[in-house]
Amino acid sequence: GENVEQHPSTLSVQEGDSAVIKCTYSDSASNYFPWYKQELGKRPQLIIDIRSNVGEKKDQRIAVTLNKTAKHFSLHITETQPEDSAVYFCAASRPPGNTPLVFGKGTRLSVIA
Amino acid sequence: ETGVTQTPRHLVMGMTNKKSLKCEQHLGHNAMYWYKQSAKKPLELMFVYSLEERVENNSVPSRFSPECPNSSHLFLHLHTLQPEDSALYLCASSQDGGGREKLFFGSGTQLSVL
Repeated sequence: GENVEQHPSTLSVQEGDSAVIKCTYSDSASNYFPWYKQELGKRPQLIIDIRSNVGEKKDQRIAVTLNKTAKHFSLHITETQPEDSAVYFCAASRPPGNTPLVFGKGTRLSVIA
Repeated sequence: ETGVTQTPRHLVMGMTNKKSLKCEQHLGHNAMYWYKQSAKKPLELMFVYSLEERVENNSVPSRFSPECPNSSHLFLHLHTLQPEDSALYLCASSQDGGGREKLFFGSGTQLSVL
């Protein structure tokens, strides 16, 4: 089955700097890669996702890149702010459509003001 | 609010108790999920129901028993739990149960087994 590895497990950055979180997956058939953000004491929420027919997707300060050949994808957060502090989870899913997501172990991001 | 409500928010139980967790979604979704979140294995999928039929059971011990009476409600019945079962139990829903859909999570039930 699919295995998703996520690095680093913790990340501290200065406010205004960029943060990058990387994930690798094992199943070459996986074609959907979402990222969820979980603030302290709150529920996980989808922040961005990418499908395998594109290599990059942006939404304001966040972007995700996908390298299908290398089987890895990354989350990029620019101009980080204290409210970006949270745990970020990557995930992967393969066809058929009813195959559940497999999550990485999460990255705890701390943005230092 | 995401439209997924879980009760109770906190639960403390002994190993011989029987309790149930409840989840309700008001989004008109057809699929519901139970996840276990602990320090060792964040976001570990336990069960998936699609149109009230169980479509995934990730080798979960029988001391956890799910029930989905309709597409809006999901229960997790607990009995003779172990201390290592202490964790945050998250319910989620999605439109049709496809792995490529957005998941809407509830706030979770923080379970402590003594």
